[in-house]
Amino acid sequence: GIQVEQSPPDLILQEGANSTLRCNFSDSVNNLQWFHQNPWGQLINLFYIPSGTKQNGRLSATTVATERYSLLYISSSQTTDSGVYFCAVPSSYNFNKFSFGSGTKLNVKP
Amino acid sequence: DGGITQSPKYLFRKEGQNVTLSCEQNLNHDAMYWYRQDPGQGLRLIYYSQIVNDFQKGDIAEGYSVSREKKESFPLTVTSAQKNPTAFYLCASSIAGQVNEKLFFGSGTQLSVL
Repeated sequence: GIQVEQSPPDLILQEGANSTLRCNFSDSVNNLQWFHQNPWGQLINLFYIPSGTKQNGRLSATTVATERYSLLYISSSQTTDSGVYFCAVPSSYNFNKFSFGSGTKLNVKP
Repeated sequence: DGGITQSPKYLFRKEGQNVTLSCEQNLNHDAMYWYRQDPGQGLRLIYYSQIVNDFQKGDIAEGYSVSREKKESFPLTVTSAQKNPTAFYLCASSIAGQVNEKLFFGSGTQLSVL
């Protein structure tokens, strides 16, 4: 299956700071999604972004499919942004089999 | 409100016991999934189903079983054959399991062994 690597594994920010999370994947993709897992375990779908750039409030994401990476930008971070951020991509031969990265654990301090 | 409901939130299993985790969705989605999450790791696919009365093994199906008798329900049974069941279990759904669809998740069940 596709290998997905995320960096950094851990990130500590002061409230108000900006950050960039990276997701590298080993094969071409038709679907890439970013999720936020809150401290209670709930995963929220942030972006469906197989290519290009999307923005949603303070969050934006860019996927460069030809270079096999995606970036998640968080601006003016808030304590509620804390949690784990995952990217996920499906297998090219089975769209139901998503490979998840190990995540970036973000801690935003007040 | 539309969504995915998992129950219970916490579950304890004794040695040799089978336990069943519930997942119900009212999103009218055809495709449903079960994932396992171990501490500090990403999610791994256990089973998935694209249609009622049909399901497929994921990457770590051994020791688990599922059924899909109704479109809205996809229960997961952790059998006694699963020797390391302690994990966080997440149920997900998508419209039809096609390439350009978003995954939506329930709030999870934490399973622990007594």
